[in-house]
Amino acid sequence: DQQVKQNSPSLSVQEGRISILNCDYTNSMFDYFLWYKKYPAEGPTFLISISSIKDKNEDGRFTVFLNKSAKHLSLHIVPSQPGDSAVYFCAATMNRDDKIIFGKGTRLHILP
Amino acid sequence: EAQVTQNPRYLITVTGKKLTVTCSQNMNHEYMSWYRQDPGLGLRQIYYSMNVEVTDKGDVPEGYKVSRKEKRNFPLILESPSPNQTSLYFCASSFSRSYEQYFGPGTRLTVT
Repeated sequence: DQQVKQNSPSLSVQEGRISILNCDYTNSMFDYFLWYKKYPAEGPTFLISISSIKDKNEDGRFTVFLNKSAKHLSLHIVPSQPGDSAVYFCAATMNRDDKIIFGKGTRLHILP
Repeated sequence: EAQVTQNPRYLITVTGKKLTVTCSQNMNHEYMSWYRQDPGLGLRQIYYSMNVEVTDKGDVPEGYKVSRKEKRNFPLILESPSPNQTSLYFCASSFSRSYEQYFGPGTRLTVT
């Protein structure tokens, strides 16, 4: 049973517009959520994280929103740039077992 | 330069022939982890280690072994590889489960 779900396998967004990537989770015990970006032939790189005690975290063009009641988080990228084209993974972790659970990823295409 | 290194980067082997993929980090991180990435399945955690001599199973540990005798190294051992272990493997390290992970470049393993 998937505990972290990214229901959109791919997303296309015009350059300069906002990209919104979504992630849903099922386990209310998760206390940290992280987003990673992955280019082909490279390892994932960290983007931004959020603790479950917050509802928003911002870092430059990237903002993560957490809605605990809906068990939903989203990553906003504004404005979208060509270099943002990549696969984005949502990950969650809890202190009960220290595992890290990743979603299946969403491929973002930034269109010129 | 802060980095996670993995060797080999590419490996083709036959069923049943024991192999080891090495992983080393130079950031004095306590948390280390192995993942496999498969099409349509995202990143799945195989094993993780919270410190020297402390390891635990992730979501897909069957067929794998790990050890953590030194803080910087976390090798992944396949005692008797099978074709269903053909995958792209990533090693990662961080200060803890809730901090950003640094990923290695990946090891593409093919078992025939």
